[in-house]
Amino acid sequence: DGGITQSPKYLFRKEGQNVTLSCEQNLNHDAMYWYRQDPGQGLRLIYYSQIVNDFQKGDIAEGYSVSREKKESFPLTVTSAQKNPTAFYLCASSISLSGNIQYFGAGTRLSVL
Amino acid sequence: KNEVEQSPQNLTAQEGEFITINCSYSVGISALHWLQQHPGGGIVSLFMLSSGKKKHGRLIATINIQEKHSSLHITASHPRDSAVYICAVPYGGATNKLIFGTGTLLAVQP
Repeated sequence: DGGITQSPKYLFRKEGQNVTLSCEQNLNHDAMYWYRQDPGQGLRLIYYSQIVNDFQKGDIAEGYSVSREKKESFPLTVTSAQKNPTAFYLCASSISLSGNIQYFGAGTRLSVL
Repeated sequence: KNEVEQSPQNLTAQEGEFITINCSYSVGISALHWLQQHPGGGIVSLFMLSSGKKKHGRLIATINIQEKHSSLHITASHPRDSAVYICAVPYGGATNKLIFGTGTLLAVQP
């Protein structure tokens, strides 16, 4: 079955620690996205990638980093510079960056210890 | 002013009722998305539409580009329809960079 897999489902971060959230897709999509969801707010775009080895900052990129070494994979690192990392993180992909439906993963809930 | 506004924020209905969720936006768009987020957090795309009306099962989405307004209707609602419904519109020229509404929490009671 084609889809997007995010792992882990729950993640805990200690003070000063970097953590990496995994996102893998087998849909052969070029574009991938990372969103953050906070209570009472709409999803906000952290980073997006149009193609392998290319990615762009979204609206709230500070304190995050990404890589796109393979078409299937778009991991997100939450660095120690992100002072308020507790949120629900969603990864998505689409055929391209232009006017297509986005397919979402099940999300990772990150909490700070 | 938020660029995408949804109403109502919360909605409780009895099984079988006809449900309407509204979305208004302030930016010019090429298409609007309706999404469904289940209690576990996963999101499913329901519709992407740029004009008129689309129907899928008991779900109907309409859009009026001139009035910058879209509605999502659910006919013969069922408890399994309970979820958060989110509308989103593209911005910035790149049509897949989306602005999301804050969602409408729907609870359908048996």
